[in-house]
Amino acid sequence: DAGVTQSPTHLIKTRGQQVTLRCSPKSGHDTVSWYQQALGQGPQFIFQYYEEEERQRGNFPDRFSGHQFPNYSSELNVNALLLGDSALYLCASSFYGKGGGAGTQYFGPGTRLTVL
Amino acid sequence: RKEVEQDPGPFNVPEGATVAFNCTYSNSASQSFFWYRQDCRKEPKLLMSVYSSGNEDGRFTAQLNRASQYISLLIRDSKLSDSATYLCVRGNDYKLSFGAGTTVTVRA
Repeated sequence: DAGVTQSPTHLIKTRGQQVTLRCSPKSGHDTVSWYQQALGQGPQFIFQYYEEEERQRGNFPDRFSGHQFPNYSSELNVNALLLGDSALYLCASSFYGKGGGAGTQYFGPGTRLTVL
Repeated sequence: RKEVEQDPGPFNVPEGATVAFNCTYSNSASQSFFWYRQDCRKEPKLLMSVYSSGNEDGRFTAQLNRASQYISLLIRDSKLSDSATYLCVRGNDYKLSFGAGTTVTVRA
């Protein structure tokens, strides 16, 4: 049973560019959450997707956007990259079902983004 | 004020020792709490959930005090493999709020 997978593993971009990160949830999970972890900090919640819609959003600008596909996989897009966007981007999946409440979130290995 | 605050440590302990640390949270309506473990440059992994009645998982004991809004983790008989950053986490239906982590190093 594959766990949460993310691609790419590492990415280097320059300021002003755009980036797309991808996540495949754990088998049986229907919810994907994205987090940003800066060096020395805990992960910060970006947003969560369920049934292909953004269900909740953290304190991140509109430059951060996402998408969830019918197969539950998800993408995180960041436009107009800033130096401060350099971080480990983590995807977490969980099972929500039909209002059954939040399930345990399992994290993927992350994508390490460096903005030069 | 941050939603979850932790003592960053580091806690440097010998093998076999007991180490304990706390975190505090600011939202009294918080629903659930967890301890996650994160190894260097790896993803966080769930260590255990935290219940008001206190709960154990092998050498690990977690406690939640809702009145004082703090959570604790105790590690008994520390192993070298326990060296990691321990993240205190508050959860609701949608998101997890993480502390910055407490670093524990177990030395031989």
